[in-house]
Amino acid sequence: EVQLVQSGAEVKESGESLEISCKVSGYGFTSLWIGWVRQMPGKVLEWMGIIYPGDAETRYSPSFQGQVTISADNSINTAYLRLRSLKASDTAMYYCAIWRSGYFDLWGRGTLVTVSS
Amino acid sequence: QSVLTQPPSVSAAPGQKVTISCSGSSSNIANNYVSWYQHLPGTAPKLLIYDNNERPSGIPDRFSGSKSGTSATLGITGLQTGDEADYYCATWDSRLSAGVFGGGTKLTVL
Repeated sequence: EVQLVQSGAEVKESGESLEISCKVSGYGFTSLWIGWVRQMPGKVLEWMGIIYPGDAETRYSPSFQGQVTISADNSINTAYLRLRSLKASDTAMYYCAIWRSGYFDLWGRGTLVTVSS
Repeated sequence: QSVLTQPPSVSAAPGQKVTISCSGSSSNIANNYVSWYQHLPGTAPKLLIYDNNERPSGIPDRFSGSKSGTSATLGITGLQTGDEADYYCATWDSRLSAGVFGGGTKLTVL
């Protein structure tokens, strides 16, 4: 059974950086795409980007290009989302999910990030 | 402003049927598969429909999807109170070279 386990909730100050993680088990990590989705409080789901750990190819939504970095560590089957220079507007729930040729199949439970100004 | 347009809310009585529309363009829905997700507050979104009209294992056939041109539709029959949730359509946008979600539709089962 494929499982995605995300890191715990974070509280950060404005200007800090943060990296949240998504550990995948039960499937060949390097043979699937992992993506990240943001949901700001009371707002909609936003497609951020995806990574193929097999060759580290990444694709970002133009809305997030340059603002975040998606990476992966194949040795521990873990994908990461790095947020830099945090702002209050980065306060959101961040979900990782398996991307299968056009749709998100299995989702993690989400990581709540709170940024205080 | 989402690339895909959904009605903000729909409602129907238990046992009834509801449809949720998702309108896009030639760069997204018209030439790519559509998926649908159910999102209950405090939980992870759940895939309901993929490749326009395919249901993952475990999703009841009360849920159906269709696509025509630049629009897609999610249908839910035999509404239950447990179906109250936010529903999102999504697809790939070839112009953006990225996935996109709709603005979400809140379903109320009266």
